[in-house]
Amino acid sequence: QVQLVESGGGVVQPGRSLRLSCAASGFTFSSYGMHWVRQAPGKGLEWVAVISYDGSNKYYADSVKGRFTISRDNSKNTLYLQMNSLRAEDTAVYYCAKVPQIFGVVMSYYYYGMDVWGQGTTVTVSS
Amino acid sequence: DVVMTQSPLSLPVTLGQPASISCRSSQSLVHSDGNTYLNWFQQRPGQSPRRLIYKVSNRDSGVPDRFSGSGSGTDFTLKISRVEAEDVGVYYCMQGTHWPGTFGPGTKVDIK
Repeated sequence: QVQLVESGGGVVQPGRSLRLSCAASGFTFSSYGMHWVRQAPGKGLEWVAVISYDGSNKYYADSVKGRFTISRDNSKNTLYLQMNSLRAEDTAVYYCAKVPQIFGVVMSYYYYGMDVWGQGTTVTVSS
Repeated sequence: DVVMTQSPLSLPVTLGQPASISCRSSQSLVHSDGNTYLNWFQQRPGQSPRRLIYKVSNRDSGVPDRFSGSGSGTDFTLKISRVEAEDVGVYYCMQGTHWPGTFGPGTKVDIK
């Protein structure tokens, strides 16, 4: 079945780095764009970043621009989120989520929301 | 960015009774292609979000038909015809018409 499994979360000090991974299975990973979405403790959903199916286009929320980098390795069916210069306000559960439509242009990636979500990985930024 | 608001933010309901959640956007969600890209997600306690409805009123596979979505322009509604215990959780609307997509704050549904 279609599945996304995140890993790489943990406790990290402010200013340090962390890399999250999202392993995909059950679908042709290289044909779909992917998002990262986060949820701070007790809060709502916040979109973080999106990447096109081939990795050629990437966009970020203003809150993480210049600090986070989204990437993918289609040969490994894996999505990544490199998080640098972490701040306390980055503390959250991070979900990877699949774009529903195959291929397509990045500007259309929000149209139908996200149809598959991982279980999430928790990042805590604290000294 | 388009701001999404929801009301109420908390909704205690009686089992078997209907429930309704309102979602409003700060701009019209009618896309230049004529479609309206408004989606609904459910997040049960301790679980990941799950898409329930896309493009205003289209239910995802496996979503019970007691869930329905409606609306147009800037005003949208998610209705549960008869609430069941498994419907407890937080419901989010999300607009996909304008870049970037944005979520509403969520409506927490619990049982009275």
